[in-house]
Amino acid sequence: DQQVKQNSPSLSVQEGRISILNCDYTNSMFDYFLWYKKYPAEGPTFLISISSIKDKNEDGRFTVFLNKSAKHLSLHIVPSQPGDSAVYFCAAQKAAGNKLTFGGGTRVLVKP
Amino acid sequence: GAVVSQHPSRVICKSGTSVKIECRSLDFQATTMFWYRQFPKQSLMLMATSNEGSKATYEQGVEKDKFLINHASLTLSTLTVTSAHPEDSSFYICSARGGTGPRVTFGSGTRLTVV
Repeated sequence: DQQVKQNSPSLSVQEGRISILNCDYTNSMFDYFLWYKKYPAEGPTFLISISSIKDKNEDGRFTVFLNKSAKHLSLHIVPSQPGDSAVYFCAAQKAAGNKLTFGGGTRVLVKP
Repeated sequence: GAVVSQHPSRVICKSGTSVKIECRSLDFQATTMFWYRQFPKQSLMLMATSNEGSKATYEQGVEKDKFLINHASLTLSTLTVTSAHPEDSSFYICSARGGTGPRVTFGSGTRLTVV
């Protein structure tokens, strides 16, 4: 049973435009949601997180939106840059700092 | 802050041998560390939660006798893949929480190839 899903395996976007990555979850007991960026043969790098009691969190070019009733969250990256090309993972967590349940990832390609 | 160092980054071993992977928190103390593995083009799957001074908690389907975890200090956890087989070839990544909040920091990963 996959509790966290990223239904789009890949996304291609033009440099300077907005990248929107989506994530759905099934477990209403998750307290936090996190987004990580990952390059091949490297560990994931933390981007941004959001508490389940919030509906939006912004950090620079990254904004995460949470729709708790729909059990859906999204990551907006604007403007997209070529260095943003990577695989992005959505992850969910019960209690801060606890183990993470990952989605399948979305490969983003930003074209110059 | 919150740097996690993982070694080795890459290892090739013969089938039947054991391999040890180290995960260190460099600038913080980690009472809990997590071990994940990732197969090619797949997501990260939690293998076990490593607890300092006590036994690790393994996820369902992970063989605790094959994947030995030791968390002897607040800054070091090790994963030993015993009697490795080619199907154990994978990318292994550790992580730990440094400080407050939900953020978890990952090591750089270890590419294990069993031949």
